[in-house]
Amino acid sequence: TQLLEQSPQFLSIQEGENLTVYCNSSSVFSSLQWYRQEPGEGPVLLVTVVTGGEVKKLKRLTFQFGDARKDSSLHITAAQPGDTGLYLCAGALNGGSQGNLIFGKGTKLSVKP
Amino acid sequence: NAGVTQTPKFQVLKTGQSMTLQCAQDMNHEYMSWYRQDPGMGLRLIHYSVGAGITDQGEVPNGYNVSRSTTEDFPLRLLSAAPSQTSVYFCASSYGSGGGYEQYFGPGTRLTVT
Repeated sequence: TQLLEQSPQFLSIQEGENLTVYCNSSSVFSSLQWYRQEPGEGPVLLVTVVTGGEVKKLKRLTFQFGDARKDSSLHITAAQPGDTGLYLCAGALNGGSQGNLIFGKGTKLSVKP
Repeated sequence: NAGVTQTPKFQVLKTGQSMTLQCAQDMNHEYMSWYRQDPGMGLRLIHYSVGAGITDQGEVPNGYNVSRSTTEDFPLRLLSAAPSQTSVYFCASSYGSGGGYEQYFGPGTRLTVT
């Protein structure tokens, strides 16, 4: 079974702090996606990274794809309570199909005012 | 554009009962999938479809059936509910490889089997 490991599993921080969430695998991915899920709702796509070394920014969120396309990170600057949620990464295996999209177990982020 | 819709939002079943979870999308996506989400287990793929008339098994298909007669609809059938099927079920659609398999999720169905 292919695995996508996310760390940390839980993160509780104060408003204004910075944080980084990691997504690691031994497999090579053709693309990697990050989702945010709020309680009682479905995950919502934040970003897709495709090229090794790629960096994408979404306001205070910075996403990076590893050079070897096996890992990714999500960095949040000056976290806000509205950033609270479950962050999921998902990788599409190289040459794979819909059935080869692998999700990590998620990082549950709580940002306290 | 409603996106991906799922019904019902909540459901309680007794062991052995059957039911169908409905899913529809209005984005003309070829790919549709069913996932279950359990604490500590993340999202696991149950079944998926790459187009009308074509379905395939995912990681955890046992106890579930699917069919895809139209592009828009992808119902999930529980044949004989078991307590182990207590979970939150998400339907998702995507453009497939052309869109990097980016998933558009529905709001979910919370199922409890007693």
